[in-house]
Amino acid sequence: EAQVTQNPRYLITVTGKKLTVTCSQNMNHEYMSWYRQDPGLGLRQIYYSMNVEVTDKGDVPEGYKVSRKEKRNFPLILESPSPNQTSLYFCASRGGGYNEQFFGPGTRLTVL
Amino acid sequence: GIQVEQSPPDLILQEGANSTLRCNFSDSVNNLQWFHQNPWGQLINLFYIPSGTKQNGRLSATTVATERYSLLYISSSQTTDSGVYFCAVRRYSTLTFGKGTMLLVSP
Repeated sequence: EAQVTQNPRYLITVTGKKLTVTCSQNMNHEYMSWYRQDPGLGLRQIYYSMNVEVTDKGDVPEGYKVSRKEKRNFPLILESPSPNQTSLYFCASRGGGYNEQFFGPGTRLTVL
Repeated sequence: GIQVEQSPPDLILQEGANSTLRCNFSDSVNNLQWFHQNPWGQLINLFYIPSGTKQNGRLSATTVATERYSLLYISSSQTTDSGVYFCAVRRYSTLTFGKGTMLLVSP
């Protein structure tokens, strides 16, 4: 089944404790991206990647890191999480051109 | 950047009713998608529709790219249709979401 997977789905952590949210897709898509969703602010792009080793900032990159060492994986790294990073996070992927974008199931992160 | 406006912001329906959701965008786009976010937070792809009309069961969508709007029709609504409906437009590398229409279908 074609899909985007994320782990963990739920995470409660404390300020300053480094964490990684994994994202993987099995559709051989070139493009992958991360979004966060907050009440009243909608979905905002954090980072995106156009292919292996090619990443770029989205609208709200501060406090986040990403890497794209393999085509199928695009982890999101929070080196020192803060409470304002409490949010619902989505990973997404799509093929080349302007193709349909597919989203993972989401990760609910709470930073205390 | 491109502006995406959805209307209405909220909608309450009785089961069995029909509805139309609208998405207006401020500039030309490369594609447009409709999503349903269910009460568990998952984003479900409904339509990939840069132009024209598509139908999938009780749902259909129409995009008139030259006039910069898209419509999502829900017929014979069911309680499982409840949730938030998002329109998202792509202009080059950026996918921009509207703020969504929150739909509640009551039995």
